[in-house]
Amino acid sequence: DADVTQTPRNRITKTGKRIMLECSQTKGHDRMYWYRQDPGLGLRLIYYSFDVKDINKGEISDGYSVSRQAQAKFSLSLESAIPNQTALYFCATSDPKRGYEQYFGPGTRLTVT
Amino acid sequence: SQQGEEDPQALSIQEGENATMNCSYKTSINNLQWYRQNSGRGLVHLILIRSNEREKHSGRLRVTLDTSKKSSSLLITASRAADTASYFCATDDDNNDMRFGAGTRLTVKP
Repeated sequence: DADVTQTPRNRITKTGKRIMLECSQTKGHDRMYWYRQDPGLGLRLIYYSFDVKDINKGEISDGYSVSRQAQAKFSLSLESAIPNQTALYFCATSDPKRGYEQYFGPGTRLTVT
Repeated sequence: SQQGEEDPQALSIQEGENATMNCSYKTSINNLQWYRQNSGRGLVHLILIRSNEREKHSGRLRVTLDTSKKSSSLLITASRAADTASYFCATDDDNNDMRFGAGTRLTVKP
């Protein structure tokens, strides 16, 4: 089974709709991250969480919110989706005590029409 | 804004040749990592080099880091068709900011 899972894997939604992307991990890592990737670009950090009570904005947090429901779960919400939020979204985890590498989920392809 | 800038944006080579990708960054870093991404999939960590290290090897991968030039290179030796992917560098700093470059798309022709 995959260590970092994301649901849904694909989603098409309309402008103005609220949508939630979910991430679950079985790695036991405290740190979790949400990124978006646009075509031809690298990943940009949206939000990150170092533990259940610690949430931090990343480079591009406007228009997004997050919830860390448990150590294993980190959700990303788009309160009112807009077309330029069409992108590939990745969740990742890390455990600095074991190194700084991040472990990525398979991604969610979101299209806002 | 992105921290790392990879060069070239795209690279096409024959199987068996070596592939070299470069990454430049702007601010002081703690670590620099290289990741691989197969089309539309999540990134996979390849190698990490710390700011006080100059060179690191892992299998067919060789990474160098020049902090005076704020640059790193990733060398893949004896490339295989299965190495076809996008490669990204990522840096982190004292503020725990992780920044990725735009990536190099590598194509290895059989």
